[in-house]
Amino acid sequence: EPEVTQTPSHQVTQMGQEVILRCVPISNHLYFYWYRQILGQKVEFLVSFYNNEISEKSEIFDDQFSVERPDGSNFTLKIRSTKLEDSAMYFCASRGGLAAYNEQFFGPGTRLTVL
Amino acid sequence: DAKTTQPNSMESNEEEPVHLPCNHSTISGTDYIHWYRQLPSQGPEYVIHGLTSNVNNRMASLAIAEDRKSSTLILHRATLRDAAVYYCILNNPGGSQGNLIFGKGTKLSVKP
Repeated sequence: EPEVTQTPSHQVTQMGQEVILRCVPISNHLYFYWYRQILGQKVEFLVSFYNNEISEKSEIFDDQFSVERPDGSNFTLKIRSTKLEDSAMYFCASRGGLAAYNEQFFGPGTRLTVL
Repeated sequence: DAKTTQPNSMESNEEEPVHLPCNHSTISGTDYIHWYRQLPSQGPEYVIHGLTSNVNNRMASLAIAEDRKSSTLILHRATLRDAAVYYCILNNPGGSQGNLIFGKGTKLSVKP
């Protein structure tokens, strides 16, 4: 069964450093998302991406964040200058089909630890 | 997005049915009702969704009240693997790209 994959599974970085989290969505999907979950808290929407551009973003997704689909398979989230409060699990998701009510498939997540 | 209310936690015995309630009194006519779950240390996983009619799939059933102000996710025979946080989410396809706004969900514990 096709699945969303994410690398690395765990990333440790120093405050102020740049990190890139990588995701490979399901191959024929068109819509891509990033969510994050701070430990013990709820899952929060960050950004949605369609047709090579951002569709929507939350207040969390400020200028320090960017997303890119550099080739036909990868979908990346970059944090330019990490802060302690960026420590969280980051989940990538993808959705096939045009209907927004179609299910989203989530990856296993990348645990980001900022020291 | 309209707000949902779920109990913080529920307990079930293995192999018994589980009914997980969700209130969404401010639901609009075009909001779909989605259920996702998150097993420990994993990403969220789609369970089921519906608009007005009750829905069944291999994982669960979704019973939607006639006025659509509440719904119930039904696991017909709980297994230990069903222990997870279950999220009831409203989504208006016309108003977004399907972004999911998660609440705190219901933490389901399953006892052997």
